[in-house]
Amino acid sequence: GAGVSQSPRYKVAKRGQDVALRCDPISGHVSLFWYQQALGQGPEFLTYFQNEAQLDKSGLPSDRFFAERPEGSVSTLKIQRTQQEDSAVYLCASSSTTGLSGNTIYFGEGSWLTVV
Amino acid sequence: ELKVEQNPLFLSMQEGKNYTIYCNYSTTSDRLYWYRQDPGKSLESLFVLLSNGAVKQEGRLMASLDTKARLSTLHITAAVHDLSATYFCAVDLGYDMRFGAGTRLTVKP
Repeated sequence: GAGVSQSPRYKVAKRGQDVALRCDPISGHVSLFWYQQALGQGPEFLTYFQNEAQLDKSGLPSDRFFAERPEGSVSTLKIQRTQQEDSAVYLCASSSTTGLSGNTIYFGEGSWLTVV
Repeated sequence: ELKVEQNPLFLSMQEGKNYTIYCNYSTTSDRLYWYRQDPGKSLESLFVLLSNGAVKQEGRLMASLDTKARLSTLHITAAVHDLSATYFCAVDLGYDMRFGAGTRLTVKP
């Protein structure tokens, strides 16, 4: 596709349930970022991949959060034993260069997670 | 702790008026980004500012960067209703972009 695609767009999970959020970056993009955006807040960095390598995972809030990008394209963000505080929009972004490098990064429309 | 502070957080303005949104940050960085977000939508890149003194303009929006003062501004000229959205600045930290809390702009007729 032409842009960053995320699925599911909306997910309601019961507390304690595991969820998996998928991101299809723009084809050929080297860099992939995950951000978490709580209601009324700015996005917060979760993790960064350069191809298949996870170079920075310092923003993952707990060990319940896990991200992978095994073949350097599609990425999955997994949240285990979801808690209510995990309710947020999870944004994926990609870029054709490494890191940010002062280049435009392209965001997907996000996966809206509500934990009940 | 790194802080990225935008003000105002809420801005209601009349069509045709001018206003400036400010973004202050507390770390050394030569690169700053401005994004627009419409309700329920993702982030749209507006400007990438890459050096001290950088100024970019697109339509009724103009952004500038003063890295010495650690300040960026987004100036709105002759606002129109279509500019109503939330505007975020973000500081480039290499892999991480640190966002401000956003300025929710409403332009009224």
